[in-house]
Amino acid sequence: EAAVTQSPRNKVTVTGGNVTLSCRQTNSHNYMYWYRQDTGHGLRLIHYSYGAGNLQIGDVPDGYKATRTTQEDFFLLLELASPSQTSLYFCASSETGGTSQNTLYFGAGTRLSVL
Amino acid sequence: GDSVTQKQGQVTLSEDDFLFINCTYSTTTYPTLFWYVQYPGQGPQLLLKVTTANNKGISRGFEATYDKGTTSFHLQKASVQESDSAVYFCALANYNQGKLIFGQGTKLSIKP
Repeated sequence: EAAVTQSPRNKVTVTGGNVTLSCRQTNSHNYMYWYRQDTGHGLRLIHYSYGAGNLQIGDVPDGYKATRTTQEDFFLLLELASPSQTSLYFCASSETGGTSQNTLYFGAGTRLSVL
Repeated sequence: GDSVTQKQGQVTLSEDDFLFINCTYSTTTYPTLFWYVQYPGQGPQLLLKVTTANNKGISRGFEATYDKGTTSFHLQKASVQESDSAVYFCALANYNQGKLIFGQGTKLSIKP
């Protein structure tokens, strides 16, 4: 069974604060993704990566940085957090990219509040 | 670019009712379409997949079919149960960019 672990599960910060969300997958998957989930918008892709050192820009990247340090670890960085970044964040992994074989395995999510 | 739209934000049914959730998509390539389900407090998980090869997917009592003519993709179940309460997302695979594009989600609530 695929395993994706996110930390922390909950985070509260202030406007202008610095936040790092962590994700680790133990599936030996090549692709990792960061999504945010907001009511009315569904799941929106922030950044993704197809291997260590690689970074691809997603659909809503503004205000976010990401880094893939190893095949297992993918981090999402908010260097100057704003209230508009209050959201539920999900990390996911998949063996391949957007092909017909693609299945995404999601973590349990991190709920971030920016006050 | 590729896109997916779910207009039903919330659906409320009683047990044993018929479920129908619609999704429309836009792509310039052959579509591979997915339904993901998110139970309360969890991340989304794959429910089923439909490709141009099979036109239909079936899993856990749910059935999904797509219509190339109307570029629509719907999910149905003959008789819902309280345990089906969840958020359902349709998604489109983007081959060129190696990613999935998700719809807005439909929250299904089942009255006991």
